[in-house]
Amino acid sequence: DQQVKQNSPSLSVQEGRISILNCDYTNSMFDYFLWYKKYPAEGPTFLISISSIKDKNEDGRFTVFLNKSAKHLSLHIVPSQPGDSAVYFCASGGDDKIIFGKGTRLHILP
Amino acid sequence: KAGVTQTPRYLIKTRGQQVTLSCSPISGHRSVSWYQQTPGQGLQFLFEYFSETQRNKGNFPGRFSGRQFSNSRSEMNVSTLELGDSALYLCATRGTDTQYFGPGTRLTVL
Repeated sequence: DQQVKQNSPSLSVQEGRISILNCDYTNSMFDYFLWYKKYPAEGPTFLISISSIKDKNEDGRFTVFLNKSAKHLSLHIVPSQPGDSAVYFCASGGDDKIIFGKGTRLHILP
Repeated sequence: KAGVTQTPRYLIKTRGQQVTLSCSPISGHRSVSWYQQTPGQGLQFLFEYFSETQRNKGNFPGRFSGRQFSNSRSEMNVSTLELGDSALYLCATRGTDTQYFGPGTRLTVL
């Protein structure tokens, strides 16, 4: 039973446009949500997080939105850059556990 | 601060063998989690150690085991390797509401 779902295995976006990565979760007890970025042959690196008491958090080109009633969060990257091409994992944390989705591979097209 | 380090970075084994992977956390971090990453399966949680005790465990067979030493360094052992064990094995240490990942050990089972 997947508690954190990323339904799009891959996404292609034109350079300069907005990239929107989506994530759904089932457990309403999660305290916080995170996005990680992973390049090949490297470990995931933390990108941005949001507490369950907020609905938006912004850091430069990255904004995470949380819709608790829909149990949905999304990561917006604008404008998208070539270096953003990577696998993005969303994760939900709480109760001493962090649970990851399967990831979405983002391709930024020139 | 030095980051999370994992050794070895690459490993090739044959079916039936056993393997031990090592993880050194960020100085001062006492929690170490292990994940298996395979294409299409995302990051699957193996187990977490804190102060030399296993605190959480994922849904992996008993062939997968781990331990943590008094200096917080952790080892993961996989016995009787199977072809399906080929994966990137990541360890992570816990910061404030996030995790810091090592570069991973790429295990190939032939």
